[in-house]
Amino acid sequence: EAAVTQSPRSKVAVTGGKVTLSCHQTNNHDYMYWYRQDTGHGLRLIHYSYVADSTEKGDIPDGYKASRPSQENFSLILELASLSQTAVYFCASRGLSQNTLYFGAGTRLSVL
Amino acid sequence: GQQVQQSPASLVLQEGENAELQCNFSTSLNSMQWFYQRPEGSLVSLFYNPSGTKQSGRLTSTTVIKERRSSLHISSSQITDSGTYLCAMERNSGTYQRFGTGTKLQVVP
Repeated sequence: EAAVTQSPRSKVAVTGGKVTLSCHQTNNHDYMYWYRQDTGHGLRLIHYSYVADSTEKGDIPDGYKASRPSQENFSLILELASLSQTAVYFCASRGLSQNTLYFGAGTRLSVL
Repeated sequence: GQQVQQSPASLVLQEGENAELQCNFSTSLNSMQWFYQRPEGSLVSLFYNPSGTKQSGRLTSTTVIKERRSSLHISSSQITDSGTYLCAMERNSGTYQRFGTGTKLQVVP
């Protein structure tokens, strides 16, 4: 069973502060993704990566940065957190020739 | 605009009833995948179904590419089927998936 671990599981941040969400996978997957989920919007793609040291913008990248320092790790960085970034964030991974996405348990972020 | 649309947005079933969930997409696609989100939030993959029909237990997925739609049929619903069902479309480039807004299902006794 593929394993994707997110940390922290929940976080409260202050407006204007810096937030880093971490994701670690032990499946040797090439692709890693960051999605956010808001009520009424399903999951929306923020950033993704298909190889270490490279990241790509998804559909809603504004206000977010991503970092893929190794194949196993993928971070999402909010340099200046805003109220509108309150959401649940999911990390996922997928192998190059596989079709199934494996999700982490999610991080609930509240920006106050 | 929204490229993946799901219907209905919510559904209440009596235990034992069947349900048909729909997913429509507005662009050409490479594949379609269905996910189940548990009430507590975790996500699991149900089907990868680029075309045709696939069945797993009481669940059946049918994707018709020419008609740009996919459906998920749940037969003999159980209380434990409650949760949100999400479809995700992968475009031709095959690098990432776009999700629909989900169907929230509640099965009651």
